[in-house]
Amino acid sequence: RKEVEQDPGPFNVPEGATVAFNCTYSNSASQSFFWYRQDCRKEPKLLMSVYSSGNEDGRFTAQLNRASQYISLLIRDSKLSDSATYLCVVPSGGSYIPTFGRGTSLIVHP
Amino acid sequence: EAQVTQNPRYLITVTGKKLTVTCSQNMNHEYMSWYRQDPGLGLRQIYYSMNVEVTDKGDVPEGYKVSRKEKRNFPLILESPSPNQTSLYFCASSLSYSGKGGISYNEQFFGPGTRLTVL
Repeated sequence: RKEVEQDPGPFNVPEGATVAFNCTYSNSASQSFFWYRQDCRKEPKLLMSVYSSGNEDGRFTAQLNRASQYISLLIRDSKLSDSATYLCVVPSGGSYIPTFGRGTSLIVHP
Repeated sequence: EAQVTQNPRYLITVTGKKLTVTCSQNMNHEYMSWYRQDPGLGLRQIYYSMNVEVTDKGDVPEGYKVSRKEKRNFPLILESPSPNQTSLYFCASSLSYSGKGGISYNEQFFGPGTRLTVL
């Protein structure tokens, strides 16, 4: 099983839609999780951290399911500007090397 | 302005010609790293550094060297570039990377990227 797995998509949704992505991980010892956003050929930027109790920031909600070893990102009321690739990041077990998922592509259309 | 800078942003070179990509951060971060990003493979870490004079291999270190003589700088060196090193490279830094108990990881700030083509 790969350490971090994401559905590459693309998820093609209309403006205003709600969309959710999952990211599964294999290292049960991981304690920090993050979602990054990457616009085409630009650097990744932190979108939000994922805490055990969940985390909400405006239209974005991140949740952690330790039992099933996945994190999720929910985007409500999608905007055209949300079109990007969303990367999940999980520290690799026993090392200082974070593992990035390959990303999920989101396309929001009018 | 807090930032990570990389130079050059674009580079076309030939096989075997040594090159260095510079990376500098002005946030006094301890942890710095280099990634390459290839279509379908995502971001893969090449090398990382926990602090000055402390470097270690990431997932794909073959063909690369790094050094960390100063806290702010972390250059990536390709001694003899080959076409399979054609890629988009990102430098990143973060405050620290604590290892007490479980691994705790802080937000990484990325440079704008260097697009390297090796002919």
